[in-house]
This record gives sequence, C-alpha cells and structure tokens, in this order.
Amino acid sequence: EVQLVQSGAEVKKPGESLKISCKGSGYSFDIYKIGWVRQKPGKGLEWMGIIHPRDSDTRYSPSFQGQVTISADKSINTAYLQWSSLKTSDTGMYYCARPSTGADVDFWGQGTLVTVSP
Amino acid sequence: QSVLTQPPSVSGAPGQRVTISCTGSSSNIGAGYDVHWYQQLPGTVPKLLIFGYTNRPSGVPDRFSGSKSGTSASLAITGLQAEDEADYYCQSYDASLGGWVFGGGTKLTVL
Repeated sequence: EVQLVQSGAEVKKPGESLKISCKGSGYSFDIYKIGWVRQKPGKGLEWMGIIHPRDSDTRYSPSFQGQVTISADKSINTAYLQWSSLKTSDTGMYYCARPSTGADVDFWGQGTLVTVSP
Repeated sequence: QSVLTQPPSVSGAPGQRVTISCTGSSSNIGAGYDVHWYQQLPGTVPKLLIFGYTNRPSGVPDRFSGSKSGTSASLAITGLQAEDEADYYCQSYDASLGGWVFGGGTKLTVL
C-alpha cells in the first residue's frame, strides 16, 4: 500500500527555522516525484514546488522561490520542506503529494500543520 | 489570484445536476495540458476525483464526470447527494510557471 507519512504539527515563532518531512512507503521512492502544496486556513491549494528523489532535481513555484527549500534523501525514502526564517504568513497546512506519470496527484500525505505565532 | 479560475460556490438540491467550470489560458489548458479534479471534504486531505479531463480513478462513482472545451474544463456531478458537499479544485500544468497550477476552489453546497 502506497503511503506518504508526514511529520507532526509544529508551533514556531517568527524568525525560527523549521524542516518538515514526508516519508514514502509501498512504492519505489526514486521513481516518482514529490510535490509540496500549501493550504492556508480557509483558503485554496497552492503548489510550492516539486522534487525528483532520483537526482534531487527541484522546481519551485515563483511564489515560493527563495522562501523555502525542498530536498530529498532517497536512501531513507524521505522528502523535506524547510524554512530558514519563518513568518506568521507561513501558517498553514502543508501537504506532500505524489503525482502519477502526469501532474495528477494520486497520493497525498496527511498534512503537517505549521503555526507561526509571536 | 489563481491561474485557473473557478466559481467560488455552486449549489444544488439532492438529485440535481451541477457543473463547476475551470478556465485557464494558452500556457496551461489551452496548451494541451491535462486537467485534474480533486474533492476535499471538510477537514480532510484532497482526493483525486478526475484525471486527464475525463478519467475516474477506481472507486469514484460515475456520477462524477469531466469534460474539456478550448481553454476550459468542467466537472459535472449528477444525482447530487449530501455527501458531495465539499470543496472542489481543478489542477493543470502551466508551461510559463513550470509547474502545477490549481484553481481557487469551488464550494459545493447541497441544499
């Protein structure tokens, strides 16, 4: 069974750093890309970026370029999303998402809620 | 402002048919990239409903169907049920942005 299991909820202060994770299982991790999607409270889905674990080739949405870093460690089937200096506007739910051969996402992580508050 | 445009809300009575539109541009839908639809029930993870404009993953009822016309796509839901009340999102790939794009989402209310 394909699963994407994300790390737990985080509460941080502005300016702090954070790295959340997404561990894949039940499939060949280095064959499929992993994307990250943000959903702010009560708002829609926003694509942040995508990485191919095979070679760590990464693409970012222009809205998130320079704001976050996406990485992956294929040896432990895990992708990461990190911030060096959080802002209150980073508060939201973050999903990792595995697309099939196209852009359609057939598997989602359960989401990691990040709360940034003074 | 989302790259793909959806109506913020639609509603219908049980048993009725509703459609949700998704309008893009020449760098996404108009460029021939597939459109996919997701259903997000309150407090849950998005679920793939339609992929490649018209295809349903296993387990999705045939009450849900998708179509394409030019630079737009549509999701139709027939025989509305209370359990269909959710947010619906369209998604495609955008060549100008180099990645995925989502519609702003449409909240379906079953009256």
